[in-house]
Amino acid sequence: GDSVTQMEGPVTLSEEAFLTINCTYTATGYPSLFWYVQYPGEGLQLLLKATKADDKGSNKGFEATYRKETTSFHLEKGSVQVSDSAVYFCALRRVTGGGNKLTFGTGTQLKVEL
Amino acid sequence: EAGVVQSPRYKIIEKKQPVAFWCNPISGHNTLYWYLQNLGQGPELLIRYENEEAVDDSQLPKDRFSAERLKGVDSTLKIQPAELGDSAVYLCASSLEGSGEAFFGQGTRLTVV
Repeated sequence: GDSVTQMEGPVTLSEEAFLTINCTYTATGYPSLFWYVQYPGEGLQLLLKATKADDKGSNKGFEATYRKETTSFHLEKGSVQVSDSAVYFCALRRVTGGGNKLTFGTGTQLKVEL
Repeated sequence: EAGVVQSPRYKIIEKKQPVAFWCNPISGHNTLYWYLQNLGQGPELLIRYENEEAVDDSQLPKDRFSAERLKGVDSTLKIQPAELGDSAVYLCASSLEGSGEAFFGQGTRLTVV
């Protein structure tokens, strides 16, 4: 079945450091890939997405490239801020039976310190 | 535009008691999802509705869980009776159509004691 594996946290960085959160997936067909973010006390928010191989999703300084050859969708940001502290979830979506099926990773907590 | 609204935000109940969660999706969104998020885990789908029809409930533990979406708008998820292992966050999400982007509510954190 579908699965998403992401690096365990927590990841602790100093402000302005470079961020990479690894994500790999297993799925049949051609899934779409997503990064969701969950700030403390809030619901999941879509951060970025990519729908086909070699697509790059980007938002708020975060980027991720859909690599079919390595089945990866690593999240990167060149300079993190304290406000980026949150839990980040990698997810894939396949359309089955006419609808969405989102499969999430376990989440990676990011802590950014001054 | 209002997002997905869930209530209550928090609920503490004793084991063997019933509990219900409510979700109001974004206006006009035909597809509604209930997800379960255990501590330290990613969300897992419990049930998906297309309008008022449950089209995917394969992961819903039907011995104690039930859901309804009367009139194809808001939805209720019920657990009866609750067990200690049901302590988790229950997330509701909606999308304009089955293949569209899903928007999530803030969730209901259930604690069973």
